[in-house]
Amino acid sequence: KQEVTQIPAALSVPEGENLVLNCSFTDSAIYNLQWFRQDPGKGLTSLLLIQSSQREQTSGRLNASLDKSSGRSTLYIAASQPGDSATYLCAVTLLDLHNNNDMRFGAGTRLTVKP
Amino acid sequence: DAGITQSPRHKVTETGTPVTLRCHQTENHRYMYWYRQDPGHGLRLIHYSYGVKDTDKGEVSDGYSVSRSKTEDFLLTLESATSSQTSVYFCATRASGTDTQYFGPGTRLTVL
Repeated sequence: KQEVTQIPAALSVPEGENLVLNCSFTDSAIYNLQWFRQDPGKGLTSLLLIQSSQREQTSGRLNASLDKSSGRSTLYIAASQPGDSATYLCAVTLLDLHNNNDMRFGAGTRLTVKP
Repeated sequence: DAGITQSPRHKVTETGTPVTLRCHQTENHRYMYWYRQDPGHGLRLIHYSYGVKDTDKGEVSDGYSVSRSKTEDFLLTLESATSSQTSVYFCATRASGTDTQYFGPGTRLTVL
């Protein structure tokens, strides 16, 4: 059974700091991995998607890496801003169920960026 | 963002009563999903649909049923609500040939 873990559960940093969020998964048979952002009381927004054959993806100040063999992904946020405050979730799409996009989510890391 | 609405947004009900949550999309996406989100568990898939009248179970389907009679609507029904079904429920959609799911704003359900 695929288990997805995110550590730490919560993180508080001063504005301007670079930071890394971690995601680990137990089964390397994944189709892809996604990072989502969730604001309080809102739904999820996809930030980055990494296919299993890729090593990283970048969007603006965000960079996500994937090491499938070790079951790890990191989300790097450069020059953090108060507007980055949110909960960040990672999710893996199971390889044998990828046609239906069956994902397993981590519990998320709640990020607070202080002005 | 895909036009996804969920109704109601908040609901309080009593144990043993039936509850139906509605997800409506305007994007004509083929796939639709229902998740629940609980503290410490992330999101867990309840049921999904891969077309009109085509549905299948997810990771935590016990106690839930779904129906999809039109492309734009996906209903989640709790036949007899229990306190363990107190949660935030999210609907999501996905277009064929893509990997990105778009999420609705969620429904907070409290079962007393």
